[in-house]
Amino acid sequence: AQSVSQHNHHVILSEAASLELGCNYSYGGTVNLFWYVQYPGQHLQLLLKYFSGDPLVKGIKGFEAEFIKSKFSFNLRKPSVQWSDTAEYFCAVNALNTGGFKTIFGAGTRLFVKA
Amino acid sequence: DTAVSQTPKYLVTQMGNDKSIKCEQNLGHDTMYWYKQDSKKFLKIMFSYNNKELIINETVPNRFSPKSPDKAHLNLHINSLELGDSAVYFCASSQAETSGTDTQYFGPGTRLTVL
Repeated sequence: AQSVSQHNHHVILSEAASLELGCNYSYGGTVNLFWYVQYPGQHLQLLLKYFSGDPLVKGIKGFEAEFIKSKFSFNLRKPSVQWSDTAEYFCAVNALNTGGFKTIFGAGTRLFVKA
Repeated sequence: DTAVSQTPKYLVTQMGNDKSIKCEQNLGHDTMYWYKQDSKKFLKIMFSYNNKELIINETVPNRFSPKSPDKAHLNLHINSLELGDSAVYFCASSQAETSGTDTQYFGPGTRLTVL
């Protein structure tokens, strides 16, 4: 069965610090990988996704993520965070299951950036 | 011009009652979903519909019945509400479920509290 683990539930950083949020998944077949973000008071929205090609994908607002197949990981990074990056970040894996594609989400990481 | 909308935003009700949550998307998408986010923030898929047809039905009690009158709407009806049903329910939509690579667009969520 698919599962997604996000190792850090809460992260507190100062502005300009570098960010790396871990995401590991378990699934034996081909996966499509996503990071979604929920800013305070807003809808969950896509940050970036990977399904083929260059394993280093770039998303909005300077975020990037690297798919490392051998480690079943899809960690999210940003070299220098801003106060406006304060949000909840969800890693998600979409894979083919009986009946169709199914998305499994991680538990989320709440990021707070101090100004 | 909201893409995915849900009503109501908040729902407080007594145990044993029957309630419905409505979801509409104006993106022209073929696939719609219902997710439940529990107190630990896990987002779990409940149902997905493609062109009004049920394709994913997770292990959800029979008290939950989704209804899709057309592909722009996916409503969730819950019978005999229980305390454990208290959660935030998110509706989402995506272009199609044929590849698993499509971005999901989420509604604002409905916070259900069962007393």
